[in-house]
Amino acid sequence: KAGVTQTPRYLIKTRGQQVTLSCSPISGHRSVSWYQQTPGQGLQFLFEYFSETQRNKGNFPGRFSGRQFSNSRSEMNVSTLELGDSALYLCASSWDRPGDYGYTFGSGTRLTVV
Amino acid sequence: GENVEQHPSTLSVQEGDSAVIKCTYSDSASNYFPWYKQELGKGPQLIIDIRSNVGEKKDQRIAVTLNKTAKHFSLHITETQPEDSAVYFCAASKGSASKIIFGSGTRLSIRP
Repeated sequence: KAGVTQTPRYLIKTRGQQVTLSCSPISGHRSVSWYQQTPGQGLQFLFEYFSETQRNKGNFPGRFSGRQFSNSRSEMNVSTLELGDSALYLCASSWDRPGDYGYTFGSGTRLTVV
Repeated sequence: GENVEQHPSTLSVQEGDSAVIKCTYSDSASNYFPWYKQELGKGPQLIIDIRSNVGEKKDQRIAVTLNKTAKHFSLHITETQPEDSAVYFCAASKGSASKIIFGSGTRLSIRP
């Protein structure tokens, strides 16, 4: 059974640009969550999608957005990149509410902003 | 909102010894407590979890204990091996919640 797939694995972008990251959840999982991981802040929750609807959102600026498609695949977008956006972005999928079923994480996308 | 504190931030133990990582949570309504292991270059992987109706759970060399009154939970690894070296995260959530809150992580190193 395929795991959570994130693409690309690595990205280098310039300040001011925008970026789109992709996540394919485990087959049958309808909830997709995104986290930002940095050495100083740990794992910070960005948002969670279920059946194409954003169900929860963390405390990030509006430059961070996401969406989910009918096949449960999800994308997140960061516009007007800042140096502080450099991080590992992790996608996690779950059958339904993560509080009931827990997460399966992907390997992440390492974003470097220069 | 929910807050999870994790200690220590780094831990070094001799191979074969035991390792203990401790966490506290703030929301008394939390009832799901997973633990994740993150190896270099990989995403976190669930290694064990416990729900609030259980005080202890074991899986081979790994055990988790929960004290609901004190809002503490701990991860115990016995007979540590080199492959146990990784970053470990505790987490907490309420049932039916659409997010899980993570602790800040513990970097565990196993000395040969």
